[in-house]
Amino acid sequence: GQQLNQSPQSMFIQEGEDVSMNCTSSSIFNTWLWYKQEPGEGPVLLIALYKAGELTSNGRLTAQFGITRKDSFLNISASIPSDVGIYFCAGQPSDGGSQGNLIFGKGTKLSVKP
Amino acid sequence: NAGVMQNPRHLVRRRGQEARLRCSPMKGHSHVYWYRQLPEEGLKFMVYLQKENIIDESGMPKERFSAEFPKEGPSILRIQQVVRGDSAAYFCASSPGMALYGYTFGSGTRLTVV
Repeated sequence: GQQLNQSPQSMFIQEGEDVSMNCTSSSIFNTWLWYKQEPGEGPVLLIALYKAGELTSNGRLTAQFGITRKDSFLNISASIPSDVGIYFCAGQPSDGGSQGNLIFGKGTKLSVKP
Repeated sequence: NAGVMQNPRHLVRRRGQEARLRCSPMKGHSHVYWYRQLPEEGLKFMVYLQKENIIDESGMPKERFSAEFPKEGPSILRIQQVVRGDSAAYFCASSPGMALYGYTFGSGTRLTVV
């Protein structure tokens, strides 16, 4: 089945540093979404991308939909302790599946040292 | 403005018992999605429902699992004769319509089979 390769798997950074993570696929995606999940909770949508090349910001977060439609990245600037959590990319592949069938990456676990 | 409500938050079942997981979508949302998350993994799509209709069940195991979203009341994910491998977090999400705007997830039900 289709897979999303998300990297890195985990990051340990100092407060104030910038963070970058990405997601790649062997097939084309129509939509890229970035979620954050905290322990014991469901994923919360951070950014949604619908067009190749689209660059969207949400506060200190910036995400881009790759031109090839096979990748996306998420950047977090000036990290703070509350950024801790697991960040998931998700996407809707172009070759089938209903709108409900999102493919998720395995997540990037972010730890921030004060 | 209640979000997606899932109950129970935690459910313990013995092998062979039935598990019933409930999901009340956000007010005005008529589309419901169920996902399963194993430890250290991303979410995996199970089923997409509208009121009284199953739209896409391509992620549902062929046996023991069923889902419904009746005209009145919450959506139910039912797992019959549970096995240890069913232990996971089950998340429900909802959206107001067909367009994929990134749905809102509930806090999940953590099922433990003992």
